Amino acid sequence: DAGVIQSPRHEVTEMGQEVTLRCKPISGHNSLFWYRQTMMRGLELLIYFNNNVPIDDSGMPEDRFSAKMPNASFSTLKIQPSEPRDSAVYFCASTETSLSQFFGPGTRLTVL
Amino acid sequence: AQSVTQLDSHVSVSEGTPVLLRCNYSSSYSPSLFWYVQHPNKGLQLLLKYTSAATLVKGINGFEAEFKKSETSFHLTKPSAHMSDAAEYFCVVSLTTDSWGKFQFGAGTQVVVTP
Repeated sequence: DAGVIQSPRHEVTEMGQEVTLRCKPISGHNSLFWYRQTMMRGLELLIYFNNNVPIDDSGMPEDRFSAKMPNASFSTLKIQPSEPRDSAVYFCASTETSLSQFFGPGTRLTVL
Repeated sequence: AQSVTQLDSHVSVSEGTPVLLRCNYSSSYSPSLFWYVQHPNKGLQLLLKYTSAATLVKGINGFEAEFKKSETSFHLTKPSAHMSDAAEYFCVVSLTTDSWGKFQFGAGTQVVVTP
């Protein structure tokens, strides 16, 4: 299995631009999680889906952030418009049970 | 509500000496507990997990952790540190009643291994 796949691995953009991060979970996993990691705040859960349905988006910082999961094999996290404080590493993780989450390699986002 | 506290933000050990990373948890229910490791510029990798079976859990790369309910602890140990163990380690708690698998992460412990 290829594991959780995220793209792009690195993204550099300018303030005000739209950013879209992508995630392909492990085949057969029915829960998907988006996290953000910064030095100041550590790992934060942004949103998670179960069977493609958003369950809890209370961690999404602002309306500028949105996430979708149109099918079991694909999810996106969009930031529009982006701001410098959004600079972070964004991780996607998936699981088929509540026992273990498998993380992708992350997307390092830099907003200038 | 559940929470997890990692008692050390940084741990420095010499290669070949034991490693101890401390974690305390708080949970209203019987918890599932995990340790994850993150090497520089990498994603998080599962080291081991406790899910109400044996209290001494063995993981990958020679790590193990012991669940102690009386002390609400889940400390991670390794008998002999290797240079490749330099990384950040996260203690994580999940409610067994949470069918969605939502995690609460500790703040992390940065491990430095010196030759």
